[in-house]
Amino acid sequence: GAVVSQHPSRVICKSGTSVKIECRSLDFQATTMFWYRQFPKQSLMLMATSNEGSKATYEQGVEKDKFLINHASLTLSTLTVTSAHPEDSSFYICSARDRLAFGYTFGSGTRLTVV
Amino acid sequence: QKEVEQDPGPLSVPEGAIVSLNCTYSNSAFQYFMWYRQYSRKGPELLMYTYSSGNKEDGRFTAQVDKSSKYISLFIRDSQPSDSATYLCAMSASGGSYIPTFGRGTSLIVHP
Repeated sequence: GAVVSQHPSRVICKSGTSVKIECRSLDFQATTMFWYRQFPKQSLMLMATSNEGSKATYEQGVEKDKFLINHASLTLSTLTVTSAHPEDSSFYICSARDRLAFGYTFGSGTRLTVV
Repeated sequence: QKEVEQDPGPLSVPEGAIVSLNCTYSNSAFQYFMWYRQYSRKGPELLMYTYSSGNKEDGRFTAQVDKSSKYISLFIRDSQPSDSATYLCAMSASGGSYIPTFGRGTSLIVHP
């Protein structure tokens, strides 16, 4: 089945620094990938849609200058949290759709802690 | 009112029990109904999906949709400790190409 690899699984960074999270589709090409944020005991909140070769589409209320998304190839999307602050601490998950399968496949998530 | 409502739990049951997980929704355009399982510190994985109303069975899992009541359920028979996870319902107006709307998930604990 479709596999989405996400790295790192866990990162701790100092306030004010930037962190990059990678999302790769391993056995299929994904022209579109999605980035979610999840708080404890809360649902997945869609942050943005990453489009290969073009600008990402951000959901209302998501700061595009803080959460930089790059989708440089058909198998790789990156999310960079810039000038991170403690309130950015959360669980970030990417997903992509294999057109040969139903629905979306999720990465294993990245636990970001900003200290 | 949120589009998809799901009780976060936790729901604690003994091993071997029948588990019932439920979601309600308000958008009558939803046609596809999915259940995802999410283990702690992991991404969700698709468990089952159904189209429109009716039942679908896969091993110990049964998904049920009642569109007239805007109510969906996931039943787990002979629950096992390995079933302990958060179960998220999700729905979309069309097939796999539409981004689903997720419930907040129900935490299930199956104790030996």
